[in-house]
Amino acid sequence: AQRVTQPEKLLSVFKGAPVELKCNYSYSGSPELFWYVQYSRQRLQLLLRHISRESIKGFTADLNKGETSFHLKKPFAQEEDSAMYYCALETSYDKVIFGPGTSLSVIP
Amino acid sequence: DVKVTQSSRYLVKRTGEKVFLECVQDMDHENMFWYRQDPGLGLRLIYFSYDVKMKEKGDIPEGYSVSREKKERFSLILESASTNQTSMYLCASSPGQGGMDEKLFFGSGTQLSVL
Repeated sequence: AQRVTQPEKLLSVFKGAPVELKCNYSYSGSPELFWYVQYSRQRLQLLLRHISRESIKGFTADLNKGETSFHLKKPFAQEEDSAMYYCALETSYDKVIFGPGTSLSVIP
Repeated sequence: DVKVTQSSRYLVKRTGEKVFLECVQDMDHENMFWYRQDPGLGLRLIYFSYDVKMKEKGDIPEGYSVSREKKERFSLILESASTNQTSMYLCASSPGQGGMDEKLFFGSGTQLSVL
């Protein structure tokens, strides 16, 4: 079965604190994993993907195939990071499925 | 910039009506997708298409159908709208070529209310 789980619906952190948004997946093939973000009143947009191994807006995510995880991390949260974050899995035939999302709130 | 345009931002329909949601992309993308977005459930894939006239069921296709007669346009059809189809509907497209450029581009969404 293909599935993406994000255990936290809501996550609140103070500005300057570290952030970790959890994502686990189940997929028998070779996964392509992404994090998408939706800021208030904006469209969903790509934040980062695992194959690029880059840092975007200070966020990083490492694919751990042994733990089937792709957690999103940032060492120092900023107020502008407050948004809805979705982990996504691309399967064969370009099908993309999403997790339920985590709403991140950064407290000033 | 890639543009994915959904024809309506808000739509109110009555139970039993046939509803058409239209989506157009302007970047010659191969793949197009329809999702519904509900609080606590995230985005759930309804249907997707990887080529003209081709369609694949997603995770929740029941009560929906789609049409892709032209590459740039992907329509979602609710044959007989029901109240449990009240939701935000998101259309997306992707190049379909794989690699570093592969990602979803989303429309701004259509908030459908079925009364």
